[in-house]
Amino acid sequence: DAKTTQPTSMDCAEGRAANLPCNHSTISGNEYVYWYRQIHSQGPQYIIHGLKNNETNEMASLIITEDRKSSTLILPHATLRDTAVYYCIVRVAGRDDKIIFGKGTRLHILP
Amino acid sequence: NAGVTQTPKFRILKIGQSMTLQCTQDMNHNYMYWYRQDPGMGLKLIYYSVGAGITDKGEVPNGYNVSRSTTEDFPLRLELAAPSQTSVYFCASSYHRGGTEAFFGQGTRLTVV
Repeated sequence: DAKTTQPTSMDCAEGRAANLPCNHSTISGNEYVYWYRQIHSQGPQYIIHGLKNNETNEMASLIITEDRKSSTLILPHATLRDTAVYYCIVRVAGRDDKIIFGKGTRLHILP
Repeated sequence: NAGVTQTPKFRILKIGQSMTLQCTQDMNHNYMYWYRQDPGMGLKLIYYSVGAGITDKGEVPNGYNVSRSTTEDFPLRLELAAPSQTSVYFCASSYHRGGTEAFFGQGTRLTVV
């Protein structure tokens, strides 16, 4: 089973910041938090990942709480092209490195 | 750099037929994965491999087989196709270490009639 919990869907106005929450209360110390998105029926696309510290790249920012039990993906200026299903995944690299997807959050960007 | 390549993109099978979905990656990744995605649902892990010669079952392995004879290729075999296997299949690959992303193919849309 997926180790994360996300809201089923969210709306965000175009041009505003989209904040997508994820709960991973059972995360282990060596597990990373990853975010992927899937636009329509394409293959999932990597967005960002982090272990303990907040991270930022050209697509998004990832805020991880100090206890690491939850995180927030921030799309700073959402556009219509950001409409997608966003998946939060916890993953540890090792012998049993299964990448398990949950149900994700369907983000609707409103014009 | 092609990344993860899946063939075919579309296929219609009759019940009871067999086929192999091909997946090739050119990034020298040791981890590879097969997922299926039913309409309106999330991705379910079928099988995965941590290196050539090693495969493990995922969440929904029944009705499928895999092999990994090379680092590059990870074919998925359907022996006796059933309507319940109508789905979109995605292959993915990644390096074996923490903090590395997985790359996905564009999918194979399979219909069993």
